[in-house]
Amino acid sequence: DTEVTQTPKHLVMGMTNKKSLKCEQHMGHRAMYWYKQKAKKPPELMFVYSYEKLSINESVPSRFSPECPNSSLLNLHLHALQPEDSALYLCASSHQKGLAVNTGELFFGEGSRLTVL
Amino acid sequence: GNSVTQMEGPVTLSEEAFLTINCTYTATGYPSLFWYVQYPGEGLQLLLKATKADDKGSNKGFEATYRKETTSFHLEKGSVQVSDSAVYFCALRYSGGGADGLTFGKGTHLIIQP
Repeated sequence: DTEVTQTPKHLVMGMTNKKSLKCEQHMGHRAMYWYKQKAKKPPELMFVYSYEKLSINESVPSRFSPECPNSSLLNLHLHALQPEDSALYLCASSHQKGLAVNTGELFFGEGSRLTVL
Repeated sequence: GNSVTQMEGPVTLSEEAFLTINCTYTATGYPSLFWYVQYPGEGLQLLLKATKADDKGSNKGFEATYRKETTSFHLEKGSVQVSDSAVYFCALRYSGGGADGLTFGKGTHLIIQP
């Protein structure tokens, strides 16, 4: 199984709503990532989890709250978002750097397309 | 810091034409290099990779060679098809400690006309 599964595929929410994006992988990867991608732009790194602990937060506003409940799951909790937060949110996973099994690449899910009204 | 520069499109070619998308990078140490492809409405798929100098990655007729002396990883394909129309991202992953994740180029939108 080399898949990263993201749900939901599409989400529409108002600025006062609370919602969550979910990501799951069963490849034994201990590094998991959230990226944000605006139209016609490259993905931008938001968060990195390493062994279920937050290791990188790229100065993301607190209205985005990540959570890694176990080694297979990654969530992104959304609250009081703004219309400019509308984007494709991509989850990815990989082996840790430095491991012999690490072939380097990140495996991406299909993304959750978020629209904030 | 690390950075990736790639030609920006859109690049429009006729079917069966030869494709080159240039990519150069700046990084400390010895990063791993990747080409990812994104089809409309989809996530990113790994197209090919190279982890050390002079490695050649190849997949689906695409090739790229890790050139340390020119810090380049140009993507080539001998004969493109309409189905190759997509956005292509060159990326690197720094192998040292600290920062993780991929550093992406801005992406090249490729349009293949029949």
